[in-house]
Amino acid sequence: GAVVSQHPSRVICKSGTSVKIECRSLDFQATTMFWYRQFPKQSLMLMATSNEGSKATYEQGVEKDKFLINHASLTLSTLTVTSAHPEDSSFYICSAPRTSTDTQYFGPGTRLTVL
Amino acid sequence: GESVGLHLPTLSVQEGDNSIINCAYSNSASDYFIWYKQESGKGPQFIIDIRSNMDKRQGQRVTVLLNKTVKHLSLQIAATQPGDSAVYFCAENIAGANSKLTFGKGITLSVRP
Repeated sequence: GAVVSQHPSRVICKSGTSVKIECRSLDFQATTMFWYRQFPKQSLMLMATSNEGSKATYEQGVEKDKFLINHASLTLSTLTVTSAHPEDSSFYICSAPRTSTDTQYFGPGTRLTVL
Repeated sequence: GESVGLHLPTLSVQEGDNSIINCAYSNSASDYFIWYKQESGKGPQFIIDIRSNMDKRQGQRVTVLLNKTVKHLSLQIAATQPGDSAVYFCAENIAGANSKLTFGKGITLSVRP
């Protein structure tokens, strides 16, 4: 069964609004989680590393004020897309490493559509 | 089945044949490699992994081969089934699961009935 969940699975919002996406590790704790963005027929692009107890680490070219990340607990990280615009429409995926098996597991993804 | 580099986007195989998907990784310091399967509209699903101290690892119907000399990774799927149709990504990182993954471009596997 799924070990990482995301909510919502799909969201449609108006331009200028903010959208929050949740990523949860279901049966293990994760001090680190990762957020990716994926455009159609392309690979996953790492946006940022979410760190429990400290600030997120953003990849080059990713605006930290645009994509707010909060690692609220050892099982929850949230990504907030602020003042969303149509170009932010994408598939957002999180992952969490399960250190007991040394494997990263991915969430099912969130399809964001900004009108 | 055919072996296809990741610069070619699609691999088409006959149901029941073996599939070979290849990946050339870039970082010689990478010591952990993973293959993921992604179905349309879903997140990547872990298939199999291998560490740099191994050159072969087998799972159920899948085998991963690692050639560190030429920085090459391959995924072999035995007796390919329609349910194997998906996009496959190789990923690499250094020092275990807590470090960030670098993904390859991905290849679409299409299984002909």
